[in-house]
Amino acid sequence: EVQLVQSGAEVKKPGESLTISCKGSGYTFTTTWIGWLRQLPGRGLEWMGIIYPDDSETTYSPSFQGQVTISADTSIRTTYLRWNTLEASDTAIYYCARRGFGWTFDYWGQGALVTVSS
Amino acid sequence: QSVLTQPPSVSAAPGQKVNISCSGSSSNIGYNFVSWYQQVTGTAPKLLISENHKRPSGIPDRFSGSKSGTSATLAIAGLQTGDEADYYCGTWDSSLFSLVFGGGTKLTVL
Repeated sequence: EVQLVQSGAEVKKPGESLTISCKGSGYTFTTTWIGWLRQLPGRGLEWMGIIYPDDSETTYSPSFQGQVTISADTSIRTTYLRWNTLEASDTAIYYCARRGFGWTFDYWGQGALVTVSS
Repeated sequence: QSVLTQPPSVSAAPGQKVNISCSGSSSNIGYNFVSWYQQVTGTAPKLLISENHKRPSGIPDRFSGSKSGTSATLAIAGLQTGDEADYYCGTWDSSLFSLVFGGGTKLTVL
């Protein structure tokens, strides 16, 4: 069974750094793209970027390029989303999702709520 | 403002059929496959339709997708109260070099 399990909710202050994670199981982790998506409170889905764990090839949405860093550790089947300097506007639910055919995401993590507040 | 345009809400009675539209352009829907996702309040999105019309295993045939030109449609037949959710279309935009989504459509089953 394919599963993506994300790290838990986080509460941080503006200016702090944060890394959240997504552990995959039940499929070939190294050769399957994993994407990250944002959902602002009460809003729709936004694609942030995607990584191919085998060689860490990463593509970012132009809207998120330079704002976050996506990485992977194949030894523990985990991908990461990192912020160096959080802002209140980063408050959202973040999802990881497995890329299927084309630009479809066929399995999703449960989501991680990130709250940035002073 | 989303790149793909969906109606904010649709509603219909149990047992009826509803169509949810997704309008784009030649750089996105007109050139690439469309996917549809269902998001029940408080849960993660779930894939309903890929490659314009293909249903993943486990998705009932009450859900169907189609595409014509620069628009796509999700049809849901035999509506059930459990179908109440937000529905999103998504596709790659070849001009923006980005995956783009519609703003979402809230389905209410009256």
